[in-house]
Amino acid sequence: DTEVTQTPKHLVMGMTNKKSLKCEQHMGHRAMYWYKQKAKKPPELMFVYSYEKLSINESVPSRFSPECPNSSLLNLHLHALQPEDSALYLCASSQDQVTDTQYFGPGTRLTVL
Amino acid sequence: QKEVEQNSGPLSVPEGAIASLNCTYSDRGSQSFFWYRQYSGKSPELIMSIYSNGDKEDGRFTAQLNKASQYVSLLIRDSQPSDSATYLCAVKGYSSYKLIFGSGTRLLVRP
Repeated sequence: DTEVTQTPKHLVMGMTNKKSLKCEQHMGHRAMYWYKQKAKKPPELMFVYSYEKLSINESVPSRFSPECPNSSLLNLHLHALQPEDSALYLCASSQDQVTDTQYFGPGTRLTVL
Repeated sequence: QKEVEQNSGPLSVPEGAIASLNCTYSDRGSQSFFWYRQYSGKSPELIMSIYSNGDKEDGRFTAQLNKASQYVSLLIRDSQPSDSATYLCAVKGYSSYKLIFGSGTRLLVRP
Protein backbone atom coordinates (compact mmCIF):
# COMPACT_ATOMS: atom_id res chain seq x y z
CA ASP A 1 0.00 0.00 0.00
CA THR A 2 1.55 3.28 -1.12
CA GLU A 3 -1.14 5.59 0.18
CA VAL A 4 -0.62 9.05 1.55
CA THR A 5 -3.80 10.83 2.62
CA GLN A 6 -4.39 14.57 2.97
CA THR A 7 -7.20 16.62 4.45
CA PRO A 8 -8.98 18.74 3.58
CA LYS A 9 -9.24 18.34 -0.20
CA HIS A 10 -10.13 22.01 -0.61
CA LEU A 11 -9.66 24.98 1.69
CA VAL A 12 -10.71 28.60 1.30
CA MET A 13 -9.39 31.02 3.87
CA GLY A 14 -9.10 34.73 4.46
CA MET A 15 -5.82 36.49 5.04
CA THR A 16 -6.47 36.75 8.79
CA ASN A 17 -7.50 33.13 9.31
CA LYS A 18 -5.50 30.34 10.90
CA LYS A 19 -5.94 26.90 9.41
CA SER A 20 -4.05 23.59 9.22
CA LEU A 21 -3.43 21.02 6.52
CA LYS A 22 -3.03 17.41 7.56
CA CYS A 23 -1.14 14.51 6.01
CA GLU A 24 -1.01 10.87 7.07
CA GLN A 25 0.86 7.79 5.89
CA HIS A 26 0.92 4.24 7.26
CA MET A 27 3.76 2.84 5.19
CA GLY A 28 6.33 3.13 7.97
CA HIS A 29 8.12 5.86 6.05
CA ARG A 30 10.44 8.01 8.13
CA ALA A 31 10.72 11.01 5.79
CA MET A 32 7.82 13.31 5.00
CA TYR A 33 7.69 16.36 2.78
CA TRP A 34 5.56 19.41 2.04
CA TYR A 35 5.50 20.77 -1.49
CA LYS A 36 3.70 23.72 -3.03
CA GLN A 37 2.58 23.58 -6.64
CA LYS A 38 1.29 26.51 -8.68
CA ALA A 39 -0.61 26.00 -11.91
CA LYS A 40 1.50 24.72 -14.81
CA LYS A 41 4.64 24.54 -12.64
CA PRO A 42 6.40 21.56 -11.06
CA PRO A 43 6.13 20.91 -7.31
CA GLU A 44 8.38 23.13 -5.21
CA LEU A 45 9.85 21.69 -2.00
CA MET A 46 8.99 23.53 1.23
CA PHE A 47 9.95 21.31 4.17
CA VAL A 48 11.45 17.90 4.90
CA TYR A 49 10.97 15.95 8.11
CA SER A 50 13.26 13.05 8.81
CA TYR A 51 12.56 10.78 11.78
CA GLU A 52 10.05 13.37 13.06
CA LYS A 53 12.61 16.18 13.10
CA LEU A 54 12.62 19.12 10.70
CA SER A 55 15.70 18.63 8.59
CA ILE A 56 15.13 20.98 5.68
CA ASN A 57 13.36 24.33 5.43
CA GLU A 58 13.65 25.71 1.93
CA SER A 59 13.53 29.35 3.11
CA VAL A 60 9.77 29.24 3.48
CA PRO A 61 8.07 32.33 5.02
CA SER A 62 7.15 31.96 8.69
CA ARG A 63 3.45 32.19 7.92
CA PHE A 64 3.84 28.49 7.06
CA SER A 65 4.64 26.39 10.11
CA PRO A 66 5.16 22.63 9.82
CA GLU A 67 4.69 20.11 12.61
CA CYS A 68 5.29 16.38 12.84
CA PRO A 69 3.41 15.01 15.88
CA ASN A 70 4.46 11.41 15.19
CA SER A 71 5.99 9.27 12.49
CA SER A 72 2.70 8.93 10.58
CA LEU A 73 1.40 12.48 10.72
CA LEU A 74 2.50 15.77 9.24
CA ASN A 75 0.72 19.09 9.64
CA LEU A 76 1.16 22.44 7.98
CA HIS A 77 -0.17 25.36 10.01
CA LEU A 78 -1.17 28.42 8.03
CA HIS A 79 -1.49 31.95 9.37
CA ALA A 80 -1.77 35.38 7.74
CA LEU A 81 -1.42 34.00 4.25
CA GLN A 82 -1.41 36.11 1.11
CA PRO A 83 -3.47 35.56 -2.06
CA GLU A 84 -0.27 34.51 -3.86
CA ASP A 85 -0.05 31.54 -1.47
CA SER A 86 -3.05 30.01 -3.25
CA ALA A 87 -1.79 26.73 -4.71
CA LEU A 88 -1.99 22.94 -4.49
CA TYR A 89 -0.20 21.78 -1.35
CA LEU A 90 1.22 18.30 -1.64
CA CYS A 91 2.46 15.97 1.04
CA ALA A 92 4.85 13.17 0.15
CA SER A 93 6.67 10.44 2.01
CA SER A 94 9.62 8.16 1.41
CA GLN A 95 11.28 5.36 3.33
CA ASP A 96 13.89 7.80 4.57
CA GLN A 97 15.33 11.14 3.58
CA VAL A 98 18.01 9.75 1.35
CA THR A 99 16.25 6.68 -0.03
CA ASP A 100 14.38 7.70 -3.12
CA THR A 101 10.84 7.12 -4.34
CA GLN A 102 8.63 9.76 -2.90
CA TYR A 103 4.93 8.99 -2.91
CA PHE A 104 2.55 11.91 -3.10
CA GLY A 105 -0.79 12.41 -1.43
CA PRO A 106 -3.79 13.80 -3.35
CA GLY A 107 -3.09 17.36 -2.25
CA THR A 108 -5.06 20.20 -0.70
CA ARG A 109 -6.24 22.93 -3.06
CA LEU A 110 -5.85 26.16 -1.06
CA THR A 111 -7.45 29.45 -2.01
CA VAL A 112 -6.57 32.59 -0.03
CA LEU A 113 -9.03 35.44 -0.42
CA GLN B 1 20.84 26.27 -17.57
CA LYS B 2 17.95 24.50 -15.88
CA GLU B 3 18.90 21.45 -13.83
CA VAL B 4 16.26 19.19 -15.41
CA GLU B 5 14.88 20.09 -18.82
CA GLN B 6 11.81 18.82 -20.61
CA ASN B 7 10.00 20.02 -23.69
CA SER B 8 6.75 21.56 -22.43
CA GLY B 9 4.75 20.27 -25.41
CA PRO B 10 2.01 19.56 -25.99
CA LEU B 11 3.15 16.33 -27.59
CA SER B 12 0.21 15.10 -29.65
CA VAL B 13 0.02 11.46 -30.76
CA PRO B 14 -2.82 9.36 -32.18
CA GLU B 15 -4.34 6.59 -30.12
CA GLY B 16 -2.32 3.40 -30.42
CA ALA B 17 0.93 5.17 -31.28
CA ILE B 18 4.14 5.27 -29.24
CA ALA B 19 4.64 8.45 -27.25
CA SER B 20 8.26 9.37 -26.54
CA LEU B 21 9.00 11.79 -23.72
CA ASN B 22 12.51 13.09 -23.11
CA CYS B 23 14.37 14.67 -20.23
CA THR B 24 17.96 15.92 -19.84
CA TYR B 25 19.71 16.76 -16.61
CA SER B 26 22.81 18.74 -15.75
CA ASP B 27 24.16 17.10 -12.56
CA ARG B 28 26.45 14.21 -13.48
CA GLY B 29 26.21 12.97 -9.88
CA SER B 30 22.50 12.20 -10.27
CA GLN B 31 21.69 8.65 -9.23
CA SER B 32 17.94 8.19 -9.24
CA PHE B 33 15.46 9.07 -11.96
CA PHE B 34 11.69 9.11 -11.85
CA TRP B 35 8.73 9.68 -14.09
CA TYR B 36 5.53 10.97 -12.56
CA ARG B 37 2.21 11.41 -14.33
CA GLN B 38 -0.01 14.29 -13.28
CA TYR B 39 -3.57 14.77 -14.45
CA SER B 40 -4.91 18.30 -14.40
CA GLY B 41 -5.80 19.33 -10.84
CA LYS B 42 -4.47 16.08 -9.36
CA SER B 43 -1.25 15.10 -7.61
CA PRO B 44 1.79 13.46 -9.22
CA GLU B 45 1.59 9.68 -9.49
CA LEU B 46 4.77 7.61 -9.77
CA ILE B 47 5.00 5.76 -13.09
CA MET B 48 8.58 4.49 -13.16
CA SER B 49 11.89 4.75 -11.39
CA ILE B 50 15.23 3.88 -12.99
CA TYR B 51 18.73 3.82 -11.55
CA SER B 52 20.98 2.01 -14.06
CA ASN B 53 21.83 2.65 -17.68
CA GLY B 54 19.58 0.85 -20.12
CA ASP B 55 15.90 0.12 -20.37
CA LYS B 56 13.34 -0.75 -17.74
CA GLU B 57 9.92 -1.96 -18.81
CA ASP B 58 6.66 -2.00 -16.88
CA GLY B 59 3.59 -2.85 -18.91
CA ARG B 60 3.15 -0.26 -21.66
CA PHE B 61 5.85 1.97 -20.16
CA THR B 62 9.59 1.78 -20.83
CA ALA B 63 12.08 4.08 -19.15
CA GLN B 64 15.48 4.54 -20.76
CA LEU B 65 18.53 5.98 -19.01
CA ASN B 66 21.82 7.09 -20.54
CA LYS B 67 24.05 8.59 -17.85
CA ALA B 68 26.89 9.38 -20.26
CA SER B 69 24.58 11.57 -22.33
CA GLN B 70 22.63 12.71 -19.27
CA TYR B 71 19.21 11.91 -20.56
CA VAL B 72 16.29 9.82 -19.48
CA SER B 73 13.24 9.05 -21.57
CA LEU B 74 9.83 7.46 -21.19
CA LEU B 75 8.15 5.51 -23.97
CA ILE B 76 4.44 4.81 -23.79
CA ARG B 77 3.34 2.07 -26.17
CA ASP B 78 -0.22 1.75 -27.47
CA SER B 79 -1.05 5.23 -26.16
CA GLN B 80 -4.58 5.70 -24.89
CA PRO B 81 -6.61 8.91 -24.46
CA SER B 82 -6.42 8.21 -20.71
CA ASP B 83 -2.64 8.71 -20.96
CA SER B 84 -3.25 12.39 -21.72
CA ALA B 85 -1.59 14.18 -18.82
CA THR B 86 1.54 16.09 -17.87
CA TYR B 87 4.59 13.88 -17.37
CA LEU B 88 7.16 15.12 -14.86
CA CYS B 89 10.75 13.94 -14.95
CA ALA B 90 12.48 14.07 -11.55
CA VAL B 91 16.12 13.50 -10.67
CA LYS B 92 17.87 12.89 -7.35
CA GLY B 93 21.56 13.01 -6.51
CA TYR B 94 23.40 10.51 -4.34
CA SER B 95 22.63 11.10 -0.63
CA SER B 96 20.46 14.03 -1.61
CA TYR B 97 17.08 14.72 -0.06
CA LYS B 98 15.96 16.82 -2.96
CA LEU B 99 13.96 15.69 -5.96
CA ILE B 100 14.65 18.08 -8.84
CA PHE B 101 11.69 18.28 -11.20
CA GLY B 102 11.57 19.27 -14.81
CA SER B 103 8.77 21.59 -15.86
CA GLY B 104 6.81 18.68 -17.36
CA THR B 105 5.69 17.64 -20.84
CA ARG B 106 2.01 17.74 -21.67
CA LEU B 107 0.92 14.67 -23.65
CA LEU B 108 -2.28 14.64 -25.71
CA VAL B 109 -3.46 11.32 -27.12
CA ARG B 110 -6.01 11.89 -29.89
CA PRO B 111 -8.80 9.27 -30.21
